[in-house]
Amino acid sequence: DVKVTQSSRYLVKRTGEKVFLECVQDMDHENMFWYRQDPGLGLRLIYFSYDVKMKEKGDIPEGYSVSREKKERFSLILESASTNQTSMYLCASSPRWRTGNNEQFFGPGTRLTVL
Amino acid sequence: KQEVTQIPAALSVPEGENLVLNCSFTDSAIYNLQWFRQDPGKGLTSLLLIQSSQREQTSGRLNASLDKSSGRSTLYIAASQPGDSATYLCAVRKWNYGQNFVFGPGTRLSVLP
Repeated sequence: DVKVTQSSRYLVKRTGEKVFLECVQDMDHENMFWYRQDPGLGLRLIYFSYDVKMKEKGDIPEGYSVSREKKERFSLILESASTNQTSMYLCASSPRWRTGNNEQFFGPGTRLTVL
Repeated sequence: KQEVTQIPAALSVPEGENLVLNCSFTDSAIYNLQWFRQDPGKGLTSLLLIQSSQREQTSGRLNASLDKSSGRSTLYIAASQPGDSATYLCAVRKWNYGQNFVFGPGTRLSVLP
């Protein structure tokens, strides 16, 4: 079974803090994704990565950055947390695009509250 | 721009009923469609993936169909159980590359004992 884990289930931070959200997958997937989920807005893609050290912006990258130094790990960084970044953050991974079976697998989510 | 809608937004049924959840998308040029379930406060669990060349996929009591030309997919749940209570989301992918998964808003299902 694919396993995607996220470093924290719940996180509370203060405005202006630098926040790191970590995601690890154990299936050797090339692609990894960071989404946020908000009531009424659904899931929105922040960033994705298709290889080590590669990244591409999603729909809402402002205020976020990412790091992928190892294939299994994809980190989301909030450089200076703001209250409007309070949300549920979901990480996902999938096999490389060319395989055809590019099913996405999600982690359990991190609920971040910024005070 | 691809838009995905799901009807109904919420559904409440007694245990044992068969039910259908609907997913509609505006651009029929999709690569595949995936159904997920999400329990409250949790991540998404993949249920079924249908490639654009397929008409349906089955897993246990779940059956998903795809009609690309009409921009519709349905998720059929047979003999519903209280454990099926969750939010069900569909997501469509336009190309086999890149950040092109578009999610629907979900249908919140309650199965009453």
